[in-house]
Amino acid sequence: VQLVESGGGLVQPGKSLKLSCSASGFTFSNYGMHWIRQAPGKGLDWVAYIGSGSGTVYADAVKGRFTISRDNAKNTLYLQLNSLKSEDTAIYYCARGDWYFDFWGPGTMVTVSS
Amino acid sequence: DIVLTQSPTTLSVTPGETVSLSCRASHSIGTNLHWYQQKTIESPRLLIKSASQSISGIPSRFSASGSGTDFTLNINNVEFDDVSSYFCQQTQSWPRTFGGGTKLELK
Repeated sequence: VQLVESGGGLVQPGKSLKLSCSASGFTFSNYGMHWIRQAPGKGLDWVAYIGSGSGTVYADAVKGRFTISRDNAKNTLYLQLNSLKSEDTAIYYCARGDWYFDFWGPGTMVTVSS
Repeated sequence: DIVLTQSPTTLSVTPGETVSLSCRASHSIGTNLHWYQQKTIESPRLLIKSASQSISGIPSRFSASGSGTDFTLNINNVEFDDVSSYFCQQTQSWPRTFGGGTKLELK
């Protein structure tokens, strides 16, 4: 199993960014997937979930601004980040699992700053 | 939201000691509680699932117990490699939440 995030970077407040998570080594379409973030020096903060049937759940802090999606043909998970705020600055991890998170990617850093 | 409170925040131990880390839930969560280890500059890895179930490839010195609102992660014969932060996480309800973590240091 391998998960690799990409798409992070430096972005101004109010702007947008799209993260990707490329999956391999398992049948991607069979699993729910999550995005979890970690601000510098802080703990883990769950962001969003998409099920194998594409149902979604979001944390209140990102609801209406972030959109999780998946492309099973490309074995790829996405997170569209809109209206970014300084408090969204974090490492963003994708993780596999409908319950516990049994595999995690190395993460991609998103920095929101003017 | 279910709040998970971990204690202590930091734990300083001598190699070879046995330690217990606590995670308390604000509401009963059955055994829907999982433990993760995160070493510095690494992503977290699953240590224990469903309160007490072991994970393939995780050393047997890691064990856990609990149900309802009180949970414990035990590390027997702590080794240098165990220097990490440890997080609990619940899957009883949405949103999924994590505890604030316990940082394990060696004396």
